[in-house]
Amino acid sequence: DGGITQSPKYLFRKEGQNVTLSCEQNLNHDAMYWYRQDPGQGLRLIYYSQIVNDFQKGDIAEGYSVSREKKESFPLTVTSAQKNPTAFYLCASSTRLATQETQYFGPGTRLLVL
Amino acid sequence: AQSVTQLDSQVPVFEEAPVELRCNYSSSVSVYLFWYVQYPNQGLQLLLKYLSGSTLVESINGFEAEFNKSQTSFHLRKPSVHISDTAEYFCAVRLANAGGTSYGKLTFGQGTILTVHP
Repeated sequence: DGGITQSPKYLFRKEGQNVTLSCEQNLNHDAMYWYRQDPGQGLRLIYYSQIVNDFQKGDIAEGYSVSREKKESFPLTVTSAQKNPTAFYLCASSTRLATQETQYFGPGTRLLVL
Repeated sequence: AQSVTQLDSQVPVFEEAPVELRCNYSSSVSVYLFWYVQYPNQGLQLLLKYLSGSTLVESINGFEAEFNKSQTSFHLRKPSVHISDTAEYFCAVRLANAGGTSYGKLTFGQGTILTVHP
């Protein structure tokens, strides 16, 4: 089945630690996105990528980093500079970076701080 | 910049009752509009979208939404809800004229939690 997978489902971070969230898609989509979801705030865009080896900052990129070395993979690193990382993180992809394209979402990773 | 307001954070209803989840947007240019549904601890699924043409759009599970340009609204309705409709619903907007390599940012509302009681 085609789709988007995110791992792990739950992730715990110790203070001062960097952690990496995985996102893989087998939909052959060019564009990929990372969102952060907090209760009562909807989704906020962290980073997006329209093609391999290219990515752009979203609205809340501080304290996060990404890479796009392969078309199907778009990992997100939450660095120690992100002071409030506890949230639900959602990865999405679309055929291309165009306004009419539907974004398809993965099941999410919940990050908790110890 | 565009923005989205979902007027109700929580909507409780009884099974088989009608429901309306309200969504208003703000934009000075044409937009595309989307409704997504999120079940507990899952990702978002597209419910329906308005790109152009008929202002009334429908989903396969009985939801519908009507684009009202004069009122800048895109309210979601269902004439008779089921227990299985219990979820959080997000309205989202994207500028229609961000073409080429320009990114049309998808802006989400704060979400409305629909709880259907037996």
